[in-house]
Amino acid sequence: DTGVSQDPRHKITKRGQNVTFRCDPISEHNRLYWYRQTLGQGPEFLTYFQNEAQLEKSRLLSDRFSAERPKGSFSTLEIQRTEQGDSAMYLCASSLTRGTVIYGYTFGSGTRLTVV
Amino acid sequence: AQKVTQAQTEISVVEKEDVTLDCVYETRDTTYYLFWYKQPPSGELVFLIRRNSFDEQNEISGRYSWNFQKSTSSFNFTITASQVVDSAVYFCALSGRNYGQNFVFGPGTRLSVLP
Repeated sequence: DTGVSQDPRHKITKRGQNVTFRCDPISEHNRLYWYRQTLGQGPEFLTYFQNEAQLEKSRLLSDRFSAERPKGSFSTLEIQRTEQGDSAMYLCASSLTRGTVIYGYTFGSGTRLTVV
Repeated sequence: AQKVTQAQTEISVVEKEDVTLDCVYETRDTTYYLFWYKQPPSGELVFLIRRNSFDEQNEISGRYSWNFQKSTSSFNFTITASQVVDSAVYFCALSGRNYGQNFVFGPGTRLSVLP
């Protein structure tokens, strides 16, 4: 299966700890996106990368959130000093973009974070 | 600002009934894209359909059909002869002219199809 992979599937952490999630996009996809989904809501866009360049990060929820995609392949999303309000599903998606045409916008199954 | 509204929080139907999920959107872009996604209990978002703002032709695909009306800013989704496997949360989403940079999702409608 060559879909979007996210690791871990579930993460429980104590308030104040740092957490990092990983996303492996579909291999030929050049764009990668991060979303957050809280209970009973639709996904909320956070940030996206074109190859290794982070082209939009103003939607990151606070300066405790950061994302990287150092080699233009997998990406990590880090949350520092977690708070209970950070409990949510974190979704990754990827797509192949050529000019203005986008192919195969595909979501992963997400990482569910619980902050206790 | 872009916004997607799904007024129906939860719907329950009995198997084989038809069901329509409503979606109303707001955008100032003249070119935009509308989507429906399905999210089963496993969590992944499954793509169902994409429509462009300049193509108002309605579409039928098997038991699914979509009614796009720019005049009322609506993009409704109908499942004909529903099945238990259709039970999921359904999201309507909007992407502006910079397609793919980000989606704005509605809050979702939870559909339960009872046997």
